[in-house]
Amino acid sequence: AQRVTQPEKLLSVFKGAPVELKCNYSYSGSPELFWYVQYSRQRLQLLLRHISRESIKGFTADLNKGETSFHLKKPFAQEEDSAMYYCALKSGYNKLIFGAGTRLAVHP
Amino acid sequence: NAGVTQTPKFQVLKTGQSMTLQCAQDMNHEYMSWYRQDPGMGLRLIHYSVGAGITDQGEVPNGYNVSRSTTEDFPLRLLSAAPSQTSVYFCASSYSNSGNTIYFGEGSWLTVV
Repeated sequence: AQRVTQPEKLLSVFKGAPVELKCNYSYSGSPELFWYVQYSRQRLQLLLRHISRESIKGFTADLNKGETSFHLKKPFAQEEDSAMYYCALKSGYNKLIFGAGTRLAVHP
Repeated sequence: NAGVTQTPKFQVLKTGQSMTLQCAQDMNHEYMSWYRQDPGMGLRLIHYSVGAGITDQGEVPNGYNVSRSTTEDFPLRLLSAAPSQTSVYFCASSYSNSGNTIYFGEGSWLTVV
């Protein structure tokens, strides 16, 4: 079964602390994974895709096929990073399977 | 640069009423879809379309109807609203090629009482 698991509903850190948002997936083929971010009452925005291997707003994510994980990391959290983060797996024709989401709260 | 536009942004319905959520995109995207967002469940695919005249069901299609008469528009119809359909609805679009970015609308907050 195709599935995305984000085990933490809430991750609370202080400004300047490292952040790791966990994402595990289940997919039989070669996965295409994404991280989307949703700031309060706004639309979802693409943050990262694994095929780009890029760093956006200081965030990085590495696909680990052995552990079937795609964790999102940032070395020093900022208050403006507070948002809802969704890990997503592309299934078939441009369809996305989303995890339940993790709310990141960065405190001053 | 409008992107994906959804209307209305907020709506309150009574049980049994019908309504249509509108979605339009101005990027000439072939692929459009509707998701619902519920706490603790992420976003789930309701219906999708790979081009004008072609629609298919997603993960949670029951109680919803769609049509795609033009490339730009992909309305979502609630046939007889139920409290279980209280949710936030997002429309999304992209080019059909794999690897293209999927763009989301701003969301429509629907409450069924």
